[in-house]
Amino acid sequence: GAVVSQHPSWVICKSGTSVKIECRSLDFQATTMFWYRQFPKQSLMLMATSNEGSKATYEQGVEKDKFLINHASLTLSTLTVTSAHPEDSSFYICSVNRGLKQYFGPGTRLTVT
Amino acid sequence: AQSVSQHNHHVILSEAASLELGCNYSYGGTVNLFWYVQYPGQHLQLLLKYFSGDPLVKGIKGFEAEFIKSKFSFNLRKPSVQWSDTAEYFCAVKAEGFKTIFGAGTRLFVKA
Repeated sequence: GAVVSQHPSWVICKSGTSVKIECRSLDFQATTMFWYRQFPKQSLMLMATSNEGSKATYEQGVEKDKFLINHASLTLSTLTVTSAHPEDSSFYICSVNRGLKQYFGPGTRLTVT
Repeated sequence: AQSVSQHNHHVILSEAASLELGCNYSYGGTVNLFWYVQYPGQHLQLLLKYFSGDPLVKGIKGFEAEFIKSKFSFNLRKPSVQWSDTAEYFCAVKAEGFKTIFGAGTRLFVKA
């Protein structure tokens, strides 16, 4: 069964608004979760590593104030896209490591109009 | 900086044809290598991985990959593809202390 879930699966929002995406680890506790972004016809790009109880680690070029990450519990990490713009439209995917395996969520498609 | 290159962006094959998808990486040290598959409308799934040992790795669904260190390559193979193998395939590389880098992906379409 699914190990990682995301909500919502698809969201449309207006430019200037904020959108929150949830990532849940369903049957185990994850101290670390990863957020990726996938542009159309391109590969996944790691945005940040979400650490439970501490600040997220962002990859170079990713704006911390625009992509707010909160990892308040061992089963939930949230990504908030603040003041969204059309160029933020993308597919956002979270993942967790469990032992030597990496599990990906189903992704959230964000469309900013 | 590390990078991963997948040579073919789109591949079209007929059923029963053999498949080989290229993956090359740039990093001189020890790496872990992965192939992931994303079927239409589904999550990414791990097909196979190489950490150490036998460079020929067997994965799920009849896939295999061979790590050739001298060529910095980790090509994915399947002797006979099926229509259900239609998907996008991603090669990924992780070096110790570095993040996982994904290739751009190869879209495979298998004609029935």
